[in-house]
Amino acid sequence: ETGVTQSPTHLIKTRGQQVTLRCSSQSGHNTVSWYQQALGQGPQFIFQYYREEENGRGNFPPRFSGLQFPNYSSELNVNALELDDSALYLCASSLPTGTGNNEQFFGPGTRLTVL
Amino acid sequence: QKEVEQDPGPLSVPEGAIVSLNCTYSNSAFQYFMWYRQYSRKGPELLMYTYSSGNKEDGRFTAQVDKSSKYISLFIRDSQPSDSATYLCAMKAPGNTGKLIFGQGTTLQVKP
Repeated sequence: ETGVTQSPTHLIKTRGQQVTLRCSSQSGHNTVSWYQQALGQGPQFIFQYYREEENGRGNFPPRFSGLQFPNYSSELNVNALELDDSALYLCASSLPTGTGNNEQFFGPGTRLTVL
Repeated sequence: QKEVEQDPGPLSVPEGAIVSLNCTYSNSAFQYFMWYRQYSRKGPELLMYTYSSGNKEDGRFTAQVDKSSKYISLFIRDSQPSDSATYLCAMKAPGNTGKLIFGQGTTLQVKP
């Protein structure tokens, strides 16, 4: 069984730039959620993708957007980067929420630094 | 008030001690409760997953949920230095978004 993978591991950008982070879900999982984890804090839900559509969104502005592909992999795009966007970005895969199984399995994360 | 409250610690214990980690929450609609372990600069690893009230045991780990008090706990028996990590409690938000709401995390250090 293949776990959740994310790329890149680390990324440094400057304010105002755009970034794309990538995630491959665990085999057998077709739902992907993205979280932002600031230093010393718990992860904050950004959004979830199921069947290539956004299925719920947290309190993040529209410059945070995503995609899911037919193979269930996903991208998180952040435009107009701000210093406060510096964080660990986590991807989690799971079975569909409606199945009653709510276990989410996380990847290693992408550490984004905005200068 | 945060929906999920967790003492950030740090908590330092000697090897072999019993560790108790706790979270409180405010939303009585929460039904699914999780504990994750996160090593420094790594992704969270799912340790325990419970539904509604009651206890669940897995090896040295026991998770307890008391919905009447809106309080969940994770107990670690015979703690080891390798248990040193940040422990995050999480609860699934009501509805079908799959959103998990996390506590701040408690940093645990087990000293040899």
